[in-house]
Parts: sequence; C-alpha cells; structure tokens
Amino acid sequence: QKEVEQNSGPLSVPEGAIASLNCTYSDRGSQSFFWYRQYSGKSPELIMFIYSNGDKEDGRFTAQLNKASQYVSLLIRDSQPSDSATYLCAVDGSARQLTFGSGTQLTVLP
Amino acid sequence: GAVVSQHPSWVICKSGTSVKIECRSLDFQATTMFWYRQFPKQSLMLMATSNEGSKATYEQGVEKDKFLINHASLTLSTLTVTSAHPEDSSFYICSAYEQYFGPGTRLTVT
Repeated sequence: QKEVEQNSGPLSVPEGAIASLNCTYSDRGSQSFFWYRQYSGKSPELIMFIYSNGDKEDGRFTAQLNKASQYVSLLIRDSQPSDSATYLCAVDGSARQLTFGSGTQLTVLP
Repeated sequence: GAVVSQHPSWVICKSGTSVKIECRSLDFQATTMFWYRQFPKQSLMLMATSNEGSKATYEQGVEKDKFLINHASLTLSTLTVTSAHPEDSSFYICSAYEQYFGPGTRLTVT
C-alpha cells in the first residue's frame, strides 16, 4: 500500500515570504512526483513535476526531490495571497495512477 | 493547452436513483482516464482507471457494480453512480494523464 504523507497544516506565511511544503512517500520504487494546487471547491491544477534528485525551478516555485530520504518538497518564493490554497503532493505509480497526500493548507497573509 | 471537461458540474439527486457523469477530452485523445473521489476536507482517492475499448480497473474497496465506468471513445469516459445513497455525496473528478484534470462534478444525494 503506497502512502504519501503531508503535514496538513494550516501553514501561514506573510506575503513575500518563502513557503515550504513537505511530503514523504513510502514506495522506494516511485519515479515521478507531482505538486498540485487546489482552491476550495475546485479541482487540482498541476504546478510542477520532478523525476530526478535535486532541485527543479519554475518561476517562483522550486521542487526538491531526495529519493534516498523519500522526500519531496515545494518552495514558493515571494508568496502572494493568491497562493493561498491546499497543496497536494502526488506520486505516480504503475499505469500512471496517482497516489495523493492529504494536502497542506497554505494561507498567505497580506 | 489540453482541456478536460465534465458534465454536469453539479447534480442533486434522490436516494436510489442513478446519475451519469461525463468526462471529455476536448482537444486530445486519451486512451486512459482516471476517476477520483474527494470527500470534504480529504484528499483525492483514485476510484478507477478507465480504458478505452476495455473494462475499467477498480481500486480496492470500490464497488464496480455501483460505479459503472464506460470509456466509449478516445475522448469520452462516463461514470454512472447507480442506486445512489447519501454517502455517495462527494466531489468526483476525472483526469487524463497527470496534468489534465476536469473541473469536477459535485454530487449531492438527498
């Protein structure tokens, strides 16, 4: 049984700060890792994916993967109130099926 | 970019009736689509994998006779909730690949 764990939060950061979101996974054979943002009442939208150990940057977002520690994180720089949402970590299994974490609720305070 | 639509966006039905939810890929073809369910304050749980031209694959604990999935074409998958009960009230989301999620269908069974 694959497990994906996230700190449910809520996590509050002031506007302009860096928000750090963390995720651990149980299946050491997992290869692909995804971060989604979900606004209340909406479906998830993909922010980033990462396959290789290390960092991957896309604008204000940086995903970090450490397969040895089975750990993946998402950093949001210069956080904005519009970033307030629930962030879901997901791990890709066989046949492209995703296992989602429970999500971390982020609030960016103006 | 690729778009996945769902219809209806919300539906209210009486206990014991059946409800059909459509998921369409609007500008691409998808041999596989995924159906998720999300209860309030919880994460997405994969229900089943819909395969064009073949039977759907259901996750453990999901009743295949209650949640009927038909992938009639490369652009359409349907989920029918049969004999719906109040505990089936949830947010149902389909996706194609990891990045294309439908907007979701909110089902309320009274």
